[in-house]
Amino acid sequence: DTAVSQTPKYLVTQMGNDKSIKCEQNLGHDTMYWYKQDSKKFLKIMFSYNNKELIINETVPNRFSPKSPDKAHLNLHINSLELGDSAVYFCASSQVGTGGRETQYFGPGTRLLVL
Amino acid sequence: AQSVTQLDSHVSVSEGTPVLLRCNYSSSYSPSLFWYVQHPNKGLQLLLKYTSAATLVKGINGFEAEFKKSETSFHLTKPSAHMSDAAEYFCVVSGVDYKLSFGAGTTVTVRA
Repeated sequence: DTAVSQTPKYLVTQMGNDKSIKCEQNLGHDTMYWYKQDSKKFLKIMFSYNNKELIINETVPNRFSPKSPDKAHLNLHINSLELGDSAVYFCASSQVGTGGRETQYFGPGTRLLVL
Repeated sequence: AQSVTQLDSHVSVSEGTPVLLRCNYSSSYSPSLFWYVQHPNKGLQLLLKYTSAATLVKGINGFEAEFKKSETSFHLTKPSAHMSDAAEYFCVVSGVDYKLSFGAGTTVTVRA
């Protein structure tokens, strides 16, 4: 009964490949997020979807494309992978009310290594 | 816009002694503040959060934090460190635009 789950947990791939990371939440939340954690452990938001609509799109290369088939899922597709894409990617979810300050719950992370 | 500064990149304590992790924030409105913990090769777990109720917030595993508006601080403390507290700790501020802004993290090492 994991609240926020991600697959795969580890992903090792070659430069130039296309890969996807899947995220699912069973908390009934209406908002989901993708974060990137770099090698220095700094976390930065990439995207956010609220009720399947994109509400945050930070300065991320357009090789990264999020897709939300429903409120419980937010997948991340990455085209033409580059060495610099190696990082840990975290999915999170929250139930946004007034002010948008509700707690975000994080998945276990997907460790991506591009060779 | 909002931001946080974690004043210590690394804190080392002996088991059984107090832990203090310092965090200052910047926000143009009344913020929501969080502390998350990340154990090695794990995801982020919420320790506690402040949302303009009591200024002293109690969290899980014996941690607590005090919100001080006059000092724009939200320091995290624990009276007695345990070996299992060794992890990375992130101070986080939330804005009305749904975005979380993370500090750079503090690595806690606990000596036996």
